[in-house]
Amino acid sequence: IAGITQAPTSQILAAGRRMTLRCTQDMRHNAMYWYRQDLGLGLRLIHYSNTAGTTGKGEVPDGYSVSRANTDDFPLTLASAVPSQTSVYFCASSKTGTSSSYNEQFFGPGTRLTVL
Amino acid sequence: AQSVSQHNHHVILSEAASLELGCNYSYGGTVNLFWYVQYPGQHLQLLLKYFSGDPLVKGIKGFEAEFIKSKFSFNLRKPSVQWSDTAEYFCAVNAASGTYKYIFGTGTRLKVLA
Repeated sequence: IAGITQAPTSQILAAGRRMTLRCTQDMRHNAMYWYRQDLGLGLRLIHYSNTAGTTGKGEVPDGYSVSRANTDDFPLTLASAVPSQTSVYFCASSKTGTSSSYNEQFFGPGTRLTVL
Repeated sequence: AQSVSQHNHHVILSEAASLELGCNYSYGGTVNLFWYVQYPGQHLQLLLKYFSGDPLVKGIKGFEAEFIKSKFSFNLRKPSVQWSDTAEYFCAVNAASGTYKYIFGTGTRLKVLA
């Protein structure tokens, strides 16, 4: 079934540890995104990638890094986790192109991360 | 900078009541507009979208939204809600040119009482 998978589903992590959240899509979308969802704040963009080999910073990039070695995978790394990074993380993807209809984003199931 | 405001943070309705959720954005150029729904414990799903043309767009599950350019608004409506509409609703805006990034509103939590 075409779509986006994220792993792990949930994770409890000690502060100071390194953690990589995985995201894989099989829709051959060029663009991918990482959001965090916090109560009362909605979804905020952490990092994005418009195509393989390029990445960009979103609204809240500090403490996070991403890479985009190929079209399908877009891992998000927390180099040294802190409690304020406790959140639900969603990966998304979209086509790119000149048509506005390409801008629809498709979301993965999310990763619930707790940093103690 | 672009921003999206959803003024209703929590809404409680009885079944069969009518629903209208407000969404206003700030951006001077052409935009694409979206409403997403997140059912409890699930990921975001697209309800409806506006790119161009008829400003009244219809989505899944009986939802519709009207784009009023002069008011920078894209309010979501449903004539008669059901208990299964209990969810969180997010409005999102994307500049129609130059970027694929969304700006999301903070969301509205809807609870429908049976």
